[in-house]
Amino acid sequence: GAGVSQSPSNKVTEKGKDVELRCDPISGHTALYWYRQRLGQGLEFLIYFQGNSAPDKSGLPSDRFSAERTGESVSTLTIQRTQQEDSAVYLCASSLRSKGGYGYTFGSGTRLTVV
Amino acid sequence: SQELEQSPQSLIVQEGKNLTINCTSSKTLYGLYWYKQKYGEGLIFLMMLQKGGEEKSHEKITAKLDEKKQQSSLHITASQPSHAGIYLCGAAPARDDKIIFGKGTRLHILP
Repeated sequence: GAGVSQSPSNKVTEKGKDVELRCDPISGHTALYWYRQRLGQGLEFLIYFQGNSAPDKSGLPSDRFSAERTGESVSTLTIQRTQQEDSAVYLCASSLRSKGGYGYTFGSGTRLTVV
Repeated sequence: SQELEQSPQSLIVQEGKNLTINCTSSKTLYGLYWYKQKYGEGLIFLMMLQKGGEEKSHEKITAKLDEKKQQSSLHITASQPSHAGIYLCGAAPARDDKIIFGKGTRLHILP
């Protein structure tokens, strides 16, 4: 597609439920990133996929968070047993990393509210 | 780990005035990125700086990277309401590394 697509755009869930957030990167972009932005805060790195390499999971805040990506296509971020502190905008970005040093293209984000 | 400090955290400027936002990295970086985020929306890539001393401009926005590649400034000339938003700087420590972002500067433009 023309840009990075994220779905849903908004999600309200009850505390304790599991949620899945989807990211569809720009076709041909080998790298995909997930960030979290809490209200009034900057971007917090969560996880990074680069081609077929092992993902960099160093930013995942707890074992309730996991993400998958098949090849260079869609990625899914899963949050299990959601807590109120998980409420945030989850942003996905992709980049053409083969030449290095490119800026990311961000999706519009999924606003997650845990009630 | 690399940390980025942005200043000021918030800025209110009269329309037509100039302003500067600063970004300081705790370590030498590979690339420095500036993004803009409109309230409630996604991030828009503004520009990337890679070489020490580099300066780039886009319309009325100019960004510079110092020679040591640890500090960058973003300057807006003759600010307009359309410049309002959150400006985020990001830095990659190495070529194929993830970008770490600062906490952002919230810019408000008064008519």
